[in-house]
Amino acid sequence: DVKVTQSSRYLVKRTGEKVFLECVQDMDHENMFWYRQDPGLGLRLIYFSYDVKMKEKGDIPEGYSVSREKKERFSLILESASTNQTSMYLCASTPSPGFYTEAFFGQGTRLTVV
Amino acid sequence: KQEVTQIPAALSVPEGENLVLNCSFTDSAIYNLQWFRQDPGKGLTSLLLIQSSQREQTSGRLNASLDKSSGRSTLYIAASQPGDSATYLCAVRQTGANSKLTFGKGITLSVRP
Repeated sequence: DVKVTQSSRYLVKRTGEKVFLECVQDMDHENMFWYRQDPGLGLRLIYFSYDVKMKEKGDIPEGYSVSREKKERFSLILESASTNQTSMYLCASTPSPGFYTEAFFGQGTRLTVV
Repeated sequence: KQEVTQIPAALSVPEGENLVLNCSFTDSAIYNLQWFRQDPGKGLTSLLLIQSSQREQTSGRLNASLDKSSGRSTLYIAASQPGDSATYLCAVRQTGANSKLTFGKGITLSVRP
């Protein structure tokens, strides 16, 4: 059974803290993605990675950075958490584009910044 | 820039009804289109994946169709049940070496007993 695992279901952090969200996949997928999901705005892409140590900005990268040191792990970093980063964060992985590239998601991390 | 639209944002139907959820996209240069289900506070669960060369896919009571040239997909749910209540999202994957997924905002379905 394929699996994408996010390290936490719920997190509460203080304004100004550095926050790490971890995502691990066991499918040997090349591509990994971080989205945030907010009511009325849908899923918005923050960053994605198409290979180890490679990354590209998505639609809303400001205030975030990412790290992909190993193929199976993609980390999202909030350098200095702010209240407007309170959101649901979703990680996904897919194989490289080809014939069958189904995307799989983790269970989500609900982050609250106070 | 690819845009994916799902209308309406919410839908309420009585149990047993057959229903169709719509998804439209602006750029037909896609690898595939995927339908997901999301329960409140949870992640996304993949329902069906349609490759760009395919017209439809079926899984149980679900059938998804794709008309790439017109930029449309539909998810058909037969004999709806209260357990089908959830948000349904469609996403398209662009062609290109480092393609990404673009999502619609979803349709929140409520099936009344």
